[in-house]
Amino acid sequence: AQSVTQLDSHVSVSEGTPVLLRCNYSSSYSPSLFWYVQHPNKGLQLLLKYTSAATLVKGINGFEAEFKKSETSFHLTKPSAHMSDAAEYFCVVSGGGGFKTIFGAGTRLFVKA
Amino acid sequence: GAVVSQHPSWVICKSGTSVKIECRSLDFQATTMFWYRQFPKQSLMLMATSNEGSKATYEQGVEKDKFLINHASLTLSTLTVTSAHPEDSSFYICSAGTSGRNAYEQYFGPGTRLTVT
Repeated sequence: AQSVTQLDSHVSVSEGTPVLLRCNYSSSYSPSLFWYVQHPNKGLQLLLKYTSAATLVKGINGFEAEFKKSETSFHLTKPSAHMSDAAEYFCVVSGGGGFKTIFGAGTRLFVKA
Repeated sequence: GAVVSQHPSWVICKSGTSVKIECRSLDFQATTMFWYRQFPKQSLMLMATSNEGSKATYEQGVEKDKFLINHASLTLSTLTVTSAHPEDSSFYICSAGTSGRNAYEQYFGPGTRLTVT
C-alpha cells in the first residue's frame, strides 16, 4: 500500500526567502517520488523526480528535493522564492510494478512581494 | 519529448448533452493512459486506467456508463462524458505512460476545463 501526505495545505513566504514544502510518504515498495507544480487553470509540470538514484534531486527552476528513507520524507526546497513560484504543488508517489500513482492533497504556495 | 496533448482545452455544454475529450501522446506510444478529475482547490482523483485495445479499469465510485473511455490506438484515448450535468463540471486531466520509458512516470496533458450549464 502507498500513501503520501503533504504536511501543509498552504505556505506563505516573502520573495527572496527560502521555500520548504513538506511531503511524507508510505510505501511497501521502493517508491518513485515526484513533485509537480500546477499554475491556475493549467496542467501539471514535472519539477523533479526520484527513482532510486541520487537521494538529492535537482529539478527545474532552482527546486530540489532530498529523499530520506529513514524519515520517509521527500521535502521540496528552493533557496530563494520568486513571485512566479506562486502555485499549487503536488507530491506524488508511485511504484509496485505499475504506473499507479498516489497524489498528495497539494500545498498552495503564496509569495509575498 | 514525452508530450501529451488534450483537446479541447475548455468546453462549455448544455445539460443533457455529451462531450468528448481527446488525449494524445505526440511523440511516443502509450500503452497505458489515465484519466483524472480535479475539483477546484483539490487534488487529482484518478477516474480510470485504460490500456490500448482493452476495456478501461474504473476506480471505485466512478460510473463507467457515464464516463466512457476508449483507447483505440497507442497514441489516442478519449473520454466521453455522457448526459452531462452541472455536477460534472470539472478539470479533466489525462496522462500517458509506456513500458519503453520509466515505468513509474506518467506524462500529463494540459487539462480540459468542462463547464456544464
